[in-house]
Amino acid sequence: AQSVTQLGSHVSVSEGALVLLRCNYSSSVPPYLFWYVQYPNQGLQLLLKYTTGATLVKGINGFEAEFKKSETSFHLTKPSAHMSDAAEYFCAVSRAGGTSYGKLTFGQGTILTVHP
Amino acid sequence: EADIYQTPRYLVIGTGKKITLECSQTMGHDKMYWYQQDPGMELHLIHYSYGVNSTEKGDLSSESTVSRIRTEHFPLTLESARPSHTSQYLCASSGGHAEAFFGQGTRLTVV
Repeated sequence: AQSVTQLGSHVSVSEGALVLLRCNYSSSVPPYLFWYVQYPNQGLQLLLKYTTGATLVKGINGFEAEFKKSETSFHLTKPSAHMSDAAEYFCAVSRAGGTSYGKLTFGQGTILTVHP
Repeated sequence: EADIYQTPRYLVIGTGKKITLECSQTMGHDKMYWYQQDPGMELHLIHYSYGVNSTEKGDLSSESTVSRIRTEHFPLTLESARPSHTSQYLCASSGGHAEAFFGQGTRLTVV
């Protein structure tokens, strides 16, 4: 079984400050890891993903995340927050392999607020 | 433009009514999914399909049913809606990549 824990249901930062959203996962097999963003009344948009290879992955809108197997973590960061980053962020995990594509286990979500 | 579409976006309906939530994708993906998202909660997989005439139940038990008669179409049906079915339903698809692509969701309210 797989599970995802996002530490902090709400994170508040000032515009221009570092954004750090924490995600820890549990998986008995090598995982694929994802971060999605959801704006109000919208679907989910993929920010970035880790499947294999380089453990530091870069995504859209200046976000990046690092896969740390020893810590079972996949924290999301952005050096400088922008007002438009305010949204809900979901970390997700799936098994590796084609039959598991798209079958995601999600964390509880973190609402990011950005103050002027 | 390749995309995934859900209709309606919002639906308010009375208890006992039959409803169908529509989902179509133009990306040529073989795999499609339905996720349920309660307010302030994580998403849970309720149904998935690997192709035409293939449907499976997901991790979260649901009274809804699905069908996959055409590759691009994956509707979800509730035979008799109840207030406990009030939720947001998100359709997604996946092709040769690990990630899922999501529609904008249908927010269902049963009164």
